[in-house]
Amino acid sequence: GNSVTQMEGPVTLSEEAFLTINCTYTATGYPSLFWYVQYPGEGLQLLLKATKADDKGSNKGFEATYRKETTSFHLEKGSVQVSDSAVYFCALRRQGAQKLVFGQGTRLTINP
Amino acid sequence: GAGVSQSPRYKVAKRGQDVALRCDPISGHVSLFWYQQALGQGPEFLTYFQNEAQLDKSGLPSDRFFAERPEGSVSTLKIQRTQQEDSAVYLCASSLLAGLQETQYFGPGTRLLVL
Repeated sequence: GNSVTQMEGPVTLSEEAFLTINCTYTATGYPSLFWYVQYPGEGLQLLLKATKADDKGSNKGFEATYRKETTSFHLEKGSVQVSDSAVYFCALRRQGAQKLVFGQGTRLTINP
Repeated sequence: GAGVSQSPRYKVAKRGQDVALRCDPISGHVSLFWYQQALGQGPEFLTYFQNEAQLDKSGLPSDRFFAERPEGSVSTLKIQRTQQEDSAVYLCASSLLAGLQETQYFGPGTRLLVL
């Protein structure tokens, strides 16, 4: 079936550190891939997405590249800020489907 | 503009009680989704509406769970005879159209605790 596996958290970094949160997926065909973020006390927000192989999604300094050969969609940011502290969810949407399939989430804490 | 809203934000129920959770999608949004998020886990799909039609209910965990969207806007998720394992955050999301490229916008969720 379709599934998403994220690196386990929590992840704690210092401000301005480089961030990578790993995400791999299992799906048939060519799913669309997403990163959602959940800030404390708020609902899930779409951070970025990619809909085909080799696409790069980017937003707010975050990037992720759709790698079909490694079935991965790792989230990266060159210099994190305290305001990036949140829970990050990788998700996929199978070709032809409406529903999202989420990973278990990674809690990120950035210390000043 | 207003986002997706959900009410109540918190609900405590005794085991065996029925509960009703409400979702107000963004005005004009055609598609509406319900997800269940257990503590420390990612959201899991429950059901999907396109206008008033429930097109996918494959994620509903048992026949105690029922969802409706009678006029194609507000939706209600009802859980009958609640059990402790129903404790979770219930998320509602909506998207403007029914296309597969549409972004889903999520509400803040209803946190349900069954005692």
